Amino acid sequence: DTGVSQNPRHKITKRGQNVTFRCDPISEHNRLYWYRQTLGQGPEFLTYFQNEAQLEKSRLLSDRFSAERPKGSFSTLEIQRTEQGDSAMYLCASSFSGGRNTEAFFGQGTRLTVV
Amino acid sequence: DAKTTQPTSMDCAEGRAANLPCNHSTISGNEYVYWYRQIHSQGPQYIIHGLKNNETNEMASLIITEDRKSSTLILPHATLRDTAVYYCIVRVYAYSGAGSYQLTFGKGTKLSVIP
Repeated sequence: DTGVSQNPRHKITKRGQNVTFRCDPISEHNRLYWYRQTLGQGPEFLTYFQNEAQLEKSRLLSDRFSAERPKGSFSTLEIQRTEQGDSAMYLCASSFSGGRNTEAFFGQGTRLTVV
Repeated sequence: DAKTTQPTSMDCAEGRAANLPCNHSTISGNEYVYWYRQIHSQGPQYIIHGLKNNETNEMASLIITEDRKSSTLILPHATLRDTAVYYCIVRVYAYSGAGSYQLTFGKGTKLSVIP
């Protein structure tokens, strides 16, 4: 296992289209997080799963955003009717809830450009 | 989670120690200090965390003042590959079964290691 994997790495879409991103966490990690990062800013929390349950959602996660983790393994983040303001880097992270080492490991992100 | 204050940018000569300060004057007793860094176009990378004792690992050392209102991340022998944005975050430690692992990132310190 080489770490958190995100696909695609880059996505260019036209305004109004739907896009879906995938995140494959580290295999033994039961916690999964989505963050969004715009240019010059630090990452902002979007949502969090423990196993398949979505336990936290930021108010940044508008109705057009939906995230799933159906089997407690990989996760998808879908954005419907994309807007130019959705252009950002979307980062996924995973962590393990048991034991001492609960730090999060991040993937390399999916960079979304809405034109 | 408590707010942190970091300098916007710092320079460090290659091979010298890089000392990155962080102020967290409103930190509460159960909040830990975490450091992450983000190299250009990559996801954030965990470096180290601590509560009140100084900590050291293979990447860095963390010095926390006795009153816990500030801390310093030390990279003992900075290399060009250490050029990155460094984020200081304070949060409640996410132990097994408790809470989430939401990280609140600020803008961080852009460290430039100069040859």
